[in-house]
Amino acid sequence: KNEVEQSPQNLTAQEGEFITINCSYSVGISALHWLQQHPGGGIVSLFMLSSGKKKHGRLIATINIQEKHSSLHITASHPRDSAVYICALQGAQKLVFGQGTRLTINP
Amino acid sequence: GAVVSQHPSRVICKSGTSVKIECRSLDFQATTMFWYRQFPKQSLMLMATSNEGSKATYEQGVEKDKFLINHASLTLSTLTVTSAHPEDSSFYICSANEGGPKNIQYFGAGTRLSVL
Repeated sequence: KNEVEQSPQNLTAQEGEFITINCSYSVGISALHWLQQHPGGGIVSLFMLSSGKKKHGRLIATINIQEKHSSLHITASHPRDSAVYICALQGAQKLVFGQGTRLTINP
Repeated sequence: GAVVSQHPSRVICKSGTSVKIECRSLDFQATTMFWYRQFPKQSLMLMATSNEGSKATYEQGVEKDKFLINHASLTLSTLTVTSAHPEDSSFYICSANEGGPKNIQYFGAGTRLSVL
């Protein structure tokens, strides 16, 4: 069993829809990252969470340490949000990456 | 915010040649940098941890002599793919740890290597 599981693997939605991407993990962590990878490959760090909830613009990330679960929400989704979203577990130094969720937002 | 610059963004080379990829932290010192490899539609895979002033730590299955890592300064780590072969074609990404209480990792834009 993988240490980190993301769902769904692929998600297609219409512009304006509320998007939720889930990440479950099975090991102890110091923090969890949400990353965004665009088709060109470049990776942007969206959030680093160790507890609770963070919000940046239309993006919201939550984490429940007891349940070992995190969610990334996108409100009022837009075609430019189309990308692969990756959750990554922060250990002492290394990151362990989920398989990613490929999000496509249609106009 | 902190920025990591990776160069080149794309390289095409002939089989048997060596390719060097640079990863620079532009406005912070990074004692530790990480090199990842990503095959199409797969997740990132950690290849090695680059430590300034000491030998890199390689993950299991990654050939040290194939993927040479040098971290000569607090702002620069290089990955050299030696005697590249078509199976080395992949997307290589570096990241640098800013350290401190936030322990945030910043990622380079990646290098797409195509070996003919």
